[in-house]
Amino acid sequence: KAGVTQTPRYLIKTRGQQVTLSCSPISGHRSVSWYQQTPGQGLQFLFEYFSETQRNKGNFPGRFSGRQFSNSRSEMNVSTLELGDSALYLCASSLPQGLNTEAFFGQGTRLTVV
Amino acid sequence: AQKITQTQPGMFVQEKEAVTLDCTYDTSDQSYGLFWYKQPSSGEMIFLIYQGSYDEQNATEGRYSLNFQKARKSANLVISASQLGDSAMYFCAMRGRGGADGLTFGKGTHLIIQP
Repeated sequence: KAGVTQTPRYLIKTRGQQVTLSCSPISGHRSVSWYQQTPGQGLQFLFEYFSETQRNKGNFPGRFSGRQFSNSRSEMNVSTLELGDSALYLCASSLPQGLNTEAFFGQGTRLTVV
Repeated sequence: AQKITQTQPGMFVQEKEAVTLDCTYDTSDQSYGLFWYKQPSSGEMIFLIYQGSYDEQNATEGRYSLNFQKARKSANLVISASQLGDSAMYFCAMRGRGGADGLTFGKGTHLIIQP
């Protein structure tokens, strides 16, 4: 069974540009969550999608957005990039998210903003 | 709001020794779940073990066990018989609000196993 696939693995972008990251969840998983990991702030929850609907959102500005397609694949978009957006972006998939639902993570996309 | 505190930024342990990674949490939720993840240098987060707030028994998964002390709001991870491959970052995380929230992570502990 294939794991969570994130593409691309590495990205370098310039301040002011926008970027789109992709996440393909494990087959059968309909919940996809996104996390940002930085040395300073650690791991922070961005948002979660289930059945193409955003169910929950962390404390990030509106420049961070996402969507989910009917096949459960998800994309995350960051507009007007800032240097502070440089981070490892992790995607996690799970069965309908509940209290004890294990989240399976991808290897992440490392974004560098210059 | 939920908060996870991991007070050990780094630890050095001799191979084959047992190691305890500390985790304390704060939440006003009555129902919550506690998780431990391992992150090797490759970046992928690997699920290790789960403990529910209403579970009376401590969770165990192979060499991993979770020492859950609800009154102290503590959920320490114990790795028995450590191996060189255990060297990695370890994160404690929790989910509350009946599962509606995303995971809240601690800052992590960098564990290095020495031969």
